[in-house]
Amino acid sequence: EPEVTQTPSHQVTQMGQEVILRCVPISNHLYFYWYRQILGQKVEFLVSFYNNEISEKSEIFDDQFSVERPDGSNFTLKIRSTKLEDSAMYFCASSRDRVMGQPQHFGDGTRLSIL
Amino acid sequence: ELKVEQNPLFLSMQEGKNYTIYCNYSTTSDRLYWYRQDPGKSLESLFVLLSNGAVKQEGRLMASLDTKARLSTLHITAAVHDLSATYFCAVDSPNTGNQFYFGTGTSLTVIP
Repeated sequence: EPEVTQTPSHQVTQMGQEVILRCVPISNHLYFYWYRQILGQKVEFLVSFYNNEISEKSEIFDDQFSVERPDGSNFTLKIRSTKLEDSAMYFCASSRDRVMGQPQHFGDGTRLSIL
Repeated sequence: ELKVEQNPLFLSMQEGKNYTIYCNYSTTSDRLYWYRQDPGKSLESLFVLLSNGAVKQEGRLMASLDTKARLSTLHITAAVHDLSATYFCAVDSPNTGNQFYFGTGTSLTVIP
């Protein structure tokens, strides 16, 4: 079964550094998402992306965050200047479309640790 | 903001017992999703409920949706240890775009 794949699985970064998290969505999916989950807490929406542009974003997704689809397969989340509170598990998800409630398929996540 | 509440937050149950997890949400929606998460792992889609009265079953798990009450239930029948995980419900709504709003999660431990 097709999967969403994320790299790296674990990223350790110094505070203030830039970090890029990478995702390869399922190939025939059109909608892409980033979520984060702080340890022990619920999953929180960051941003959704369709047709090469952001379609929705949450309050968490401030100017420090950006997303990009640099080629036909990768979908990236960049955090420009990381803060301690950015430490979390980041999940990429994709869905085929948004008609009639398609489930979002999640990758295994990238654990981001900010020191 | 759309709010999604689950209860209980923690559930410890013996093998063979039945129990129900509840998911309440705060806005009109007829789309409700259940996910399972094992420790340190991703979210696995369990059920997609798309209408009032929808009921879906897979093995020992059965999910239902009452859109009028804004309530979904995940019923566990004759629990086994393999069901130990955290279960999340999620809601999306035409009024809030296509982002999922996740519940607080229910951490289930099945004791042999």
